[in-house]
Amino acid sequence: EAQVTQNPRYLITVTGKKLTVTCSQNMNHEYMSWYRQDPGLGLRQIYYSMNVEVTDKGDVPEGYKVSRKEKRNFPLILESPSPNQTSLYFCASGRGPPNEQYFGPGTRLTVT
Amino acid sequence: ILNVEQSPQSLHVQEGDSTNFTCSFPSSNFYALHWYRWETAKSPEALFVMTLNGDEKKKGRISATLNTKEGYSYLYIKGSQPEDSATYLCASKAQFYFGTGTSLTVIP
Repeated sequence: EAQVTQNPRYLITVTGKKLTVTCSQNMNHEYMSWYRQDPGLGLRQIYYSMNVEVTDKGDVPEGYKVSRKEKRNFPLILESPSPNQTSLYFCASGRGPPNEQYFGPGTRLTVT
Repeated sequence: ILNVEQSPQSLHVQEGDSTNFTCSFPSSNFYALHWYRWETAKSPEALFVMTLNGDEKKKGRISATLNTKEGYSYLYIKGSQPEDSATYLCASKAQFYFGTGTSLTVIP
């Protein structure tokens, strides 16, 4: 089954404790991206990747890192999480603009 | 940052009613316009990708139009059903700047 998977789906952590949210797709897509969704603000892009070893900042990259060492994986790293990073995070993949993206199930992160 | 705006913010309609909502975007340097459907507790799913002025797309009872010169797209739902209840998102530009969505509730 073609899909984008994210892990974990739910995470509660404390300020400053490094964490990684994994994202994997099995559709051989070149384009992958991360979004956060906050009430009243909609989906905002954090980082995107056009291909392996090619990443670029989206609208809200501060406090996040990504890597794209393999085509199928695009982990999101929070080196020192803060409470303002509490949010719902989505990973997505696609064949690249202007084609549509396929979203993962989401990761709800709470930073206390 | 690109401003993509959607209206109305929310909408309640009776089952069987037809409805429509709007996505507005800056018309300069247009690249593509996307519509997504986002049901509660699920992930956004692509409905349409539109790239040409005057584009019209249709999927079942849902259709969309695009006017790139004036910077707007309309999404229409004909004969709304309870299963159409969702948030409808539009996104513009190559890197997918999303609007905040229109939340549709269809009352049986």
